[in-house]
Amino acid sequence: QAALTQPASVSGSPGQSITISCTGTSSDVGAYDYVSWYQQFPGKAPRVIIYEVTGRPSGISNRFSGSKSGYTASLTISGLQPEDEADYYCSSFTTSTSYVFGSGTRVTVL
Amino acid sequence: QVQLQESGPGLVKPSETLSLTCSVSGFSISSGYYWGWVRQPPGKGLEWIGNIQHSGHTYNNPSLKSRLSISVDTSKNHISLKLTSMTAADTAVYYCVRDIGFLELDSWGQGILVAVSS
Repeated sequence: QAALTQPASVSGSPGQSITISCTGTSSDVGAYDYVSWYQQFPGKAPRVIIYEVTGRPSGISNRFSGSKSGYTASLTISGLQPEDEADYYCSSFTTSTSYVFGSGTRVTVL
Repeated sequence: QVQLQESGPGLVKPSETLSLTCSVSGFSISSGYYWGWVRQPPGKGLEWIGNIQHSGHTYNNPSLKSRLSISVDTSKNHISLKLTSMTAADTAVYYCVRDIGFLELDSWGQGILVAVSS
């Protein structure tokens, strides 16, 4: 199963908003509202920041928000902060009753 | 607070079988959720491997299905992974995870680096 497509890198200045896209197909992103987003710092395990497209786990800043339209899900980081610099991955349930991750996006705070 | 700890060899020879165990503490596997594995080759992205429920029901990555076996031992509160016919492409950090719903992976082990080399 092919990885979901994400931009390799996205950058922004502190205080700005950035959006990371996650493009799939009718067999994954387009089929279900089961898209999650993960944040990963170098050398650390990822942590979930968005689940089921828009859900935010307890303790996650409301600066992180998710959405979906058609075959593309998006993660928006509002009020970008230096500590947001990390790798971000989307994931989706698929019609094969499996899961697939995105290719990953490196966020750089300028 | 749930904790997950992976254990197993750090080096496997090509064509051999990888066996990893994930010990869970602070939560009984029998209480619910899915428990599984995610891997990450050095410098690359995440790949979902598969998961299992306490009942033994599994979901597996189709691309690994023929080589993969995930099992659960509720008496020991751990899950295990076996991956056969290992190649260099299987070199990765293997993470044990708790899935509380459709890949909402709320708990992760620290990860174990497994290298495939002769």
